[in-house]
Amino acid sequence: NAGVTQTPKFRILKIGQSMTLQCTQDMNHNYMYWYRQDPGMGLKLIYYSVGAGITDKGEVPNGYNVSRSTTEDFPLRLELAAPSQTSVYFCASSLTSPYEQYFGPGTRLTVT
Amino acid sequence: DAKTTQPPSMDCAEGRAANLPCNHSTISGNEYVYWYRQIHSQGPQYIIHGLKNNETNEMASLIITEDRKSSTLILPHATLRDTAVYYCIVRVTFGNEKLTFGTGTRLTIIP
Repeated sequence: NAGVTQTPKFRILKIGQSMTLQCTQDMNHNYMYWYRQDPGMGLKLIYYSVGAGITDKGEVPNGYNVSRSTTEDFPLRLELAAPSQTSVYFCASSLTSPYEQYFGPGTRLTVT
Repeated sequence: DAKTTQPPSMDCAEGRAANLPCNHSTISGNEYVYWYRQIHSQGPQYIIHGLKNNETNEMASLIITEDRKSSTLILPHATLRDTAVYYCIVRVTFGNEKLTFGTGTRLTIIP
């Protein structure tokens, strides 16, 4: 099992550009999550999904969109990137909430 | 979810037991205590969780006080690879999908 994989590892965006952060898990987990972590801070939940076709907002959803068309994939879309979105983004999955979440290696995004 | 309080940093000598405290005085009867850790720049890693009984797995032990207002994560023989930020999280079992990560305890293992 590869677990949770994320691409890209690093990305630099200009203000106003858009991009999609990819997340894939091969553990057949129902639940998937997107978090962001700003320097020196804890993680904040952006969006989560309890299964294919179902998504819901977390604490900080503004400026982001998600979709969940398959069990394996949970992409995060940034529209009109802003400097405030400079952060490290982590994707996670779990078999059933609230059991242990498995995290990917993260995507480090800089918006300038 | 109940709020948790952890010391911002701790040191521990390599080979000794590392004892990380967490205060959760407002915990409810249906809330579990979870511990995760984050090694520099990596995604968080689940360690252990418990409700009221002490728990042990291959990574650590979790000791929860009888009144459940505090807990201690114990790494029995700390190694340099245990240097990380450790997060104590309290949450209900169902109906709440998010884990709320605070700022945690930065544990440094000293050679």
